[in-house]
Amino acid sequence: EIVLTQSPATLSLSPGERAALSCRASQSVSSYLAWYQQKPGQAPRLLISDASNRATGIPARFSGSGSGTDFTLTISSLEPEDFAVYYCQQRSISWTFGQGTKVEIK
Amino acid sequence: QITLKESGPTLVKPTQTLTLTCTFSGFSLSTSGVGVGWIRQPPGKALEWLALIYWNDDKRYSPSLKSRLTITKDTSKNQVVLTVTSLDPVDTATYYCAHRGRGGWFDPWGQGTLVTVSS
Repeated sequence: EIVLTQSPATLSLSPGERAALSCRASQSVSSYLAWYQQKPGQAPRLLISDASNRATGIPARFSGSGSGTDFTLTISSLEPEDFAVYYCQQRSISWTFGQGTKVEIK
Repeated sequence: QITLKESGPTLVKPTQTLTLTCTFSGFSLSTSGVGVGWIRQPPGKALEWLALIYWNDDKRYSPSLKSRLTITKDTSKNQVVLTVTSLDPVDTATYYCAHRGRGGWFDPWGQGTLVTVSS
């Protein structure tokens, strides 16, 4: 099973700041990696697919990068609605999720 | 517009079998490349992929839960059913179904249904 390790577990930032979330895979997943956003009481929402492609309707402040085993989700300037939990997911071999990174207001 | 909604019992007893139904609209499960997956999330914890069924009836299961899971589809009713046997309190979670598009990712998701396993 491919294990995805996300860091940090919690990121404390202020609105307007830049956020960088990391996802590391236990073996190469090529570009078969996605990022989801989950707000309290809501289902996850797809943000980024295939490592760097923004999903429909996702603002340009969200960007994804990386390939192989190391990936990053960047939020260029945090808006109040961006404070949430973010999960990475791979589909190279089966499907697995990371344990999540919570972006909280500092 | 694609929508999905999960339905099933909210409380089940240990050792019993859970049957969940995902009813969807806005797409057909007979379209090439399309699938429906199930994912669960224990309270306060991370997401865990469970199972996926494709348009051609190909089925995939989480290796750690494979012996306890069965996924089926009824294309005419736009439904996908997941059964989980031998329930334990650790199976308490919100269970989501999600559309798997031709791109390969889960988008969108249903609202989820909370299932509590307790005697």
